[in-house]
Amino acid sequence: DARVTQTPRHKVTEMGQEVTMRCQPILGHNTVFWYRQTMMQGLELLAYFRNRAPLDDSGMPKDRFSAEMPDATLATLKIQPSEPRDSAVYFCASGFGPGAGGGAQHFGDGTRLSIL
Amino acid sequence: GIQVEQSPPDLILQEGANSTLRCNFSDSVNNLQWFHQNPWGQLINLFYIPSGTKQNGRLSATTVATERYSLLYISSSQTTDSGVYFCAVDRRGSNYKLTFGKGTLLTVNP
Repeated sequence: DARVTQTPRHKVTEMGQEVTMRCQPILGHNTVFWYRQTMMQGLELLAYFRNRAPLDDSGMPKDRFSAEMPDATLATLKIQPSEPRDSAVYFCASGFGPGAGGGAQHFGDGTRLSIL
Repeated sequence: GIQVEQSPPDLILQEGANSTLRCNFSDSVNNLQWFHQNPWGQLINLFYIPSGTKQNGRLSATTVATERYSLLYISSSQTTDSGVYFCAVDRRGSNYKLTFGKGTLLTVNP
């Protein structure tokens, strides 16, 4: 089965350090999403791309977060500088996007981030 | 934004029992999906079901878009069904952005 692959699976680092999370979407999917899950806020959409172009990053703190998709097989989410409140599980998901009913979003296993 | 309410928030079952989970949403949607988050944290897409009924093994789902709700049925539950079940919707005009409910925590005891 095709899967969304995320690395690293776990990351522990100190406040102020740069964090980079990577995602390989399912081959052929044209839409990639970044979500964050916390106990308090649940699952929140941070940003998403269609055909590698950023479409919406309104859910992302812009001063410290950035999301890019340098090619069709790689999406990145960076936090610089990191803060303890960024501790969460970050999920990447991919799908075929709207049109023809949109379709299912498929999630990676997540990156569990702890900022000390 | 669109409101997504799931009920019940928690559910405890004995193995073999059946259950129904509900998702109500406050606006017209293009897209509705059900997910299962297992105890290891993995989010598995169960159904993409903006309308109608679908079945996959012991699980089935029905969405009545005109009445703004969806139901997830689990029959003959197994301990491996334990976890959190999320409903997520894409409000019409939101361009495929999913809004998630808070989930139903299901525990199936042996």
